Amino acid sequence: AQKVTQAQTEISVVEKEDVTLDCVYETRDTTYYLFWYKQPPSGELVFLIRRNSFDEQNEISGRYSWNFQKSTSSFNFTITASQVVDSAVYFCALSEVRGSYIPTFGRGTSLIVHP
Amino acid sequence: DAGVTQSPTHLIKTRGQQVTLRCSPKSGHDTVSWYQQALGQGPQFIFQYYEEEERQRGNFPDRFSGHQFPNYSSELNVNALLLGDSALYLCASSYNRNTEAFFGQGTRLTVV
Repeated sequence: AQKVTQAQTEISVVEKEDVTLDCVYETRDTTYYLFWYKQPPSGELVFLIRRNSFDEQNEISGRYSWNFQKSTSSFNFTITASQVVDSAVYFCALSEVRGSYIPTFGRGTSLIVHP
Repeated sequence: DAGVTQSPTHLIKTRGQQVTLRCSPKSGHDTVSWYQQALGQGPQFIFQYYEEEERQRGNFPDRFSGHQFPNYSSELNVNALLLGDSALYLCASSYNRNTEAFFGQGTRLTVV
């Protein structure tokens, strides 16, 4: 069965610090997708990135970067030079082809960025 | 382009009552999924609708039912409400099931 673990429940940083959110996953499938979503206080889950299991290239989008390592079953998310607007709950999710692409979410990491 | 819209945004119901939540998918999307998110937890998959039929279902009792209309909009119905049904209910839409899903802002249901 698929499983996503986000061991960090809450992270508190001061603005301009870099912060990394960890995500470890378990799957028996060879074809799967990994996601990161941001949930601000408004409640809406905002899609950040989708990565398939055959693409281990790291990705950078502005201040955001993602490190996908199949060897350690991890898909970590780094925010560089954090800003107060980055404060939110961040969810990592996994969907398997054999699971009909239904995503399993981690419990989320609450990021608090202080001015 | 309107994203996923849900109504109502907040709802208070009494234990034992029934509730209907509504969702309009993002333009061009044909697949709608519903999730329950308890406080401090990640979203839990309830079910998914495609072509007006329930395609996948998570581990939720039959009290949870749904419907998808020809215009792809969807409803989630919960009967015989329990206190434990209090949660944020999220609707997500996608084009086919293997593309990224876009979420609405959710309906916060409180059962008293």
